[in-house]
Amino acid sequence: SQQGEEDPQALSIQEGENATMNCSYKTSINNLQWYRQNSGRGLVHLILIRSNEREKHSGRLRVTLDTSKKSSSLLITASRAADTASYFCATDGTGTASKLTFGTGTRLQVTL
Amino acid sequence: NAGVTQTPKFRVLKTGQSMTLLCAQDMNHEYMYWYRQDPGMGLRLIHYSVGEGTTAKGEVPDGYNVSRLKKQNFLLGLESAAPSQTSVYFCASKDRVWNSPLHFGNGTRLTVT
Repeated sequence: SQQGEEDPQALSIQEGENATMNCSYKTSINNLQWYRQNSGRGLVHLILIRSNEREKHSGRLRVTLDTSKKSSSLLITASRAADTASYFCATDGTGTASKLTFGTGTRLQVTL
Repeated sequence: NAGVTQTPKFRVLKTGQSMTLLCAQDMNHEYMYWYRQDPGMGLRLIHYSVGEGTTAKGEVPDGYNVSRLKKQNFLLGLESAAPSQTSVYFCASKDRVWNSPLHFGNGTRLTVT
């Protein structure tokens, strides 16, 4: 079963606009991570937020985490055409071996 | 530094045939994972390994076997392929340090007819 559900499933914006993606999960976590996947490629790690953190920034990325609501959001500011990709949240539960559980992803299309 | 390398990149099998997918990493990572990705379902964990000589089942292990004879390699086997195993398979590795990220290969696209 999927731990994370993402919203929206697809998002189309123009270059320069901000993109916001949301992720909800079901069980307790150690951390939540966001990954990007370009078409035909593997996933690439973007950012990790620990369960005791509420907000984290990395370049044009801003991630928030609300453990009381079991939800997270990823904001990409000033989007570029190169940001076109699928974005996945992944939760690292409280068990061992860091078995990440992935959401179903948001497909982002950034047009010129 | 190649990271995580998966071979082959593409494969077509007939129902009942067998094959092995190879994953190799050059980052000296302890942990390795096999995921499958199907449309609309995200990634699901098949098997994983926390070190050389150890393997464990993930969320969807049925129909697959794995081996980790060397630290840098993690093999995924299909003994008798079924059309339901048509998917894109991703290998990933990570350092044992808590909160370190996964590093993914570029996937193997498998079609079973």
